[in-house]
Order: sequence, then C-alpha cells, then structure tokens
Amino acid sequence: NAGVTQTPKFRVLKTGQSMTLLCAQDMNHEYMYWYRQDPGMGLRLIHYSVGEGTTAKGEVPDGYNVSRLKKQNFLLGLESAAPSQTSVYFCASSYSTRSSYEQYFGPGTRLTVT
Amino acid sequence: GNSVTQMEGPVTLSEEAFLTINCTYTATGYPSLFWYVQYPGEGLQLLLKATKADDKGSNKGFEATYRKETTSFHLEKGSVQVSDSAVYFCARNSGGYQKVTFGTGTKLQVIP
Repeated sequence: NAGVTQTPKFRVLKTGQSMTLLCAQDMNHEYMYWYRQDPGMGLRLIHYSVGEGTTAKGEVPDGYNVSRLKKQNFLLGLESAAPSQTSVYFCASSYSTRSSYEQYFGPGTRLTVT
Repeated sequence: GNSVTQMEGPVTLSEEAFLTINCTYTATGYPSLFWYVQYPGEGLQLLLKATKADDKGSNKGFEATYRKETTSFHLEKGSVQVSDSAVYFCARNSGGYQKVTFGTGTKLQVIP
C-alpha cells in the first residue's frame, strides 16, 4: 500500500498563476482533508470531504477550491496564487467510523508563490 | 470552541534525558486526544491516542494520560534518543466529527 500520496512535492508559482495539487489514497477512506502548515501556526484545515462528491469548508478556505470526483482522490486548486499562500500543504485521510479518528498524512507539497 | 495549547519550543535535550511536552485542551464535549509526530521532511504520523478520561496512550516509549480534571494530555518519555528529534503535535477531535484541531507543534532536538 502506498498510503497517502501527494503530487507535486515542490512547486514555485508567480502571483496570479493557478495550479492544482493532487492527493490520492489507497486505503478506501471516506474522509479526506487538506491542511496548510505555517511556522508557529501548526496545521490549519482548508477544506475537507466526508465522501465522494461532497466537500466542505474548513478554517481557512478563502482562495482555494477542492473537488472529490473519485473516492480515492482529493484535489486542491489555487485559481490565482498569492504570496500569502506560500506554505507546506498536507493531505490526510481517515476512516468514517467513530472508533478511530486517526488521520493518515501524505508527505506534503512545498509551495512558494513569488 | 475547540482548541489545543501546547508548550512552545524548541526543546533541546541531551540523549537519555527525561522529556515532558505539555498540552492542554478546551473542555468542550468528549474529545479523543492525540499526539502526532513529524520527522524532518515528512508528513505527520500518529504517535499515540486516548479516547476517554484516564486512558493512557503509549507507543515507542512515549506515554500520555488523558486527564479530564486538568484538561491535559502531556507527552512524556523517560529516556530520549537522537532519533526522537522531530516536531510533536498535540491534537483533539471535534466531538462527534472527524475534524481534528492541532496545536502549534513543539520542536524537539536531542543532542548526543
């Protein structure tokens, strides 16, 4: 099992450019999440999904869009990148049962917006 | 709201020293509590968890006890190793939901 994978690992964008980050999981998890990690701020939830075809806003959704067309994939889009979106982005997934809330994380994507 | 507060780092210890990283949480609902660890250049991975009061989570020599009376979940290890150098995150879930709130992380550096 590959677990949670993220593509790409690194990316540099210019202000105003767009891009899509891809997250894939092979554990048949219902729930998927996108976080950003910034120094001194821990992880902040951008968007999440509780199942195929559904998405919801997290703590810091502005400037991002997401889609969950397939259960195993969760895409994060930046339509017009801004320097404030320079960050490390992590995708995670989890089961939907209440007995376990463990989230499984991907290795991260380091994005720099100049 | 749901929040988690953990001690600021960085924490620098000598090998074989005793480690404590403090964590407190807001007492809303009946959360499960977690410690995640992030090694350099990697994503987070679950270190241990506790789902109800007085539970003790343990893994790889690390322990944490869910203390409802003090709303705390402090991480401890009796003898740290250089390989324990990482960033440690305390976290709680949001009651019945799958969303998890993370602390700001504490960087641990263990020197030989």
